[in-house]
Amino acid sequence: SQTIHQWPATLVQPVGSPLSLECTVEGTSNPNLYWYRQAAGRGLQLLFYSVGIGQISSEVPQNLSASRPQDRQFILSSKKLLLSDSGFYLCAWSVHGGTDTQYFGPGTRLTVL
Amino acid sequence: AQKITQTQPGMFVQEKEAVTLDCTYDTSDPSYGLFWYKQPSSGEMIFLIYQGSYDQQNATEGRYSLNFQKARKSANLVISASQLGDSAMYFCAMREGQANDYKLSFGAGTTVTVRA
Repeated sequence: SQTIHQWPATLVQPVGSPLSLECTVEGTSNPNLYWYRQAAGRGLQLLFYSVGIGQISSEVPQNLSASRPQDRQFILSSKKLLLSDSGFYLCAWSVHGGTDTQYFGPGTRLTVL
Repeated sequence: AQKITQTQPGMFVQEKEAVTLDCTYDTSDPSYGLFWYKQPSSGEMIFLIYQGSYDQQNATEGRYSLNFQKARKSANLVISASQLGDSAMYFCAMREGQANDYKLSFGAGTTVTVRA
């Protein structure tokens, strides 16, 4: 069966510091991968998605970037965090074809101080 | 314009009763998919149920059923025999266009609290 991991689970970072969040998927090959951000009590905002290694599409211009160095690894980064980057970051995967059902990881709660 | 509208910010339901969560959507694409997710306090988004725009029958998954009214652009989630563990936030989402279009639009969510 497929599983998706995210780490760290929680993170507190000062403004201006760098960021690296990692997401890995097990049990499937060539998944579509997604990064979402959720502000407190709100819905999800799609940040990036990837259909293959090195292929990244950005949905929202921002302070963040994403990379996919391996088939089942998706990384969210920032060179300098802003206060507005605080939130709950969720990684998700889906199979090519089918219904596009996305399956989510446990998330990373980021607080920028 | 909002693609997914969930008008109920919060609901209370008695244990063992049924609850209906409203979701309306806006699309001009004839092909689309509708999803419901559950987000407990732990934060993980759990996939519950899917309805395709061409599906003739309403989707069901255990205690979850989706009341799909295409003409009204409505995709309400019905949870039967509520349990305390159903207390969570619930999100409706839509994929427009054919599969492999990748993007889901999410509603603002409805918080459900199940009372013993």
